[in-house]
Amino acid sequence: KAGVTQTPRYLIKTRGQQVTLSCSPISGHRSVSWYQQTPGQGLQFLFEYFSETQRNKGNFPGRFSGRQFSNSRSEMNVSTLELGDSALYLCASSSDRGLETQYFGPGTRLLVL
Amino acid sequence: DAKTTQPPSMDCAEGRAANLPCNHSTISGNEYVYWYRQIHSQGPQYIIHGLKNNETNEMASLIITEDRKSSTLILPHATLRDTAVYYCIVRALARGGANSKLTFGKGITLSVRP
Repeated sequence: KAGVTQTPRYLIKTRGQQVTLSCSPISGHRSVSWYQQTPGQGLQFLFEYFSETQRNKGNFPGRFSGRQFSNSRSEMNVSTLELGDSALYLCASSSDRGLETQYFGPGTRLLVL
Repeated sequence: DAKTTQPPSMDCAEGRAANLPCNHSTISGNEYVYWYRQIHSQGPQYIIHGLKNNETNEMASLIITEDRKSSTLILPHATLRDTAVYYCIVRALARGGANSKLTFGKGITLSVRP
């Protein structure tokens, strides 16, 4: 099976812009979670989608949003970018709700100038 | 979720076993212990998980103490490619059946030397 794929892999934006990142889960997986990784804060949970519904949400401002499509692909959007949004954004998929193992993609590295 | 405590770093010689400790003294009865690793700038890689019994797979073994307050991840024959940050995570089922998030700590940096 192909793994989790994320696009783009690298992105440079300027403050105030918005960005959309994409994640394609492992075939058959319906749950997609997003995480942000920065040197200062480490890996932090953003949100989780299952069957096109947000099931869980981390402690991030409303500028961070996401959605999931009927084919389980997911996107996350960050509006009004700030310098502190520079990070590695990781997507993880799992087969169902609960304690299913999450498998991570390679991440999208976002640099905000 | 219960917190975990890991030493910041350790090293081992290539070909030897690497034993990575983790303390989770406040773990609850329904919480699992998960291990992931992250090689520089890549996405975390799942290694193994367990509830109370010892577990083994093709990558590693997980030894959980009887009181479940600590565990050890064992890489039986470490190679240079095992150099990474290893995260020990305690995880329980989230409310409403949502997929339980992974709460990452700082992890332990394992350096495998030639």
